[in-house]
Amino acid sequence: DAGITQSPRHKVTETGTPVTLRCHQTENHRYMYWYRQDPGHGLRLIHYSYGVKDTDKGEVSDGYSVSRSKTEDFLLTLESATSSQTSVYFCAISGEGAYGYTFGSGTRLTVV
Amino acid sequence: AQRVTQPEKLLSVFKGAPVELKCNYSYSGSPELFWYVQYSRQRLQLLLRHISRESIKGFTADLNKGETSFHLKKPFAQEEDSAMYYCALTKNTDKLIFGTGTRLQVFP
Repeated sequence: DAGITQSPRHKVTETGTPVTLRCHQTENHRYMYWYRQDPGHGLRLIHYSYGVKDTDKGEVSDGYSVSRSKTEDFLLTLESATSSQTSVYFCAISGEGAYGYTFGSGTRLTVV
Repeated sequence: AQRVTQPEKLLSVFKGAPVELKCNYSYSGSPELFWYVQYSRQRLQLLLRHISRESIKGFTADLNKGETSFHLKKPFAQEEDSAMYYCALTKNTDKLIFGTGTRLQVFP
């Protein structure tokens, strides 16, 4: 196993509801990342973390928040889901920043 | 701002034909560049990075700083090469910026 799991794998939610996606790792890696994948846009960085309680914004952070209270978990929250947030969300972990990404299997989120 | 451009959304070739997936970048410093691949129903995985100058699965990529390009090449495409390919760049080594991706289809 790659040492990284995302949950849920699929989710359908209604506009305006809060949604939390979870990324869990067993590698004790320092870095964790959330990306969204959309046709024509590729992968865009939402937020990332370089340690417990240390997070930073990516290029498409509006409407998203994150938390990392322990090394193994990195949570992505959509405060009030919108249809434009329908996407596939990927988590990645790394022990060496940009040089060692391991990706999760993705979460397919549909906002109706 | 740093940017990675992959001008082709889809590239279709026949088995045995040469393949070149284009990647151009804009960045004022000395970037580190990578290629990632996503096979159907699988996770994204690292294919190669320019600092290692490796050849993985027959693919190579050369960093051309003059043309700000990092094109991915393979002399003879195989059907199992069909996948989504992403070029990526890092400017400060803690995160990657990805391009929009190119889908490679290799027909038998």
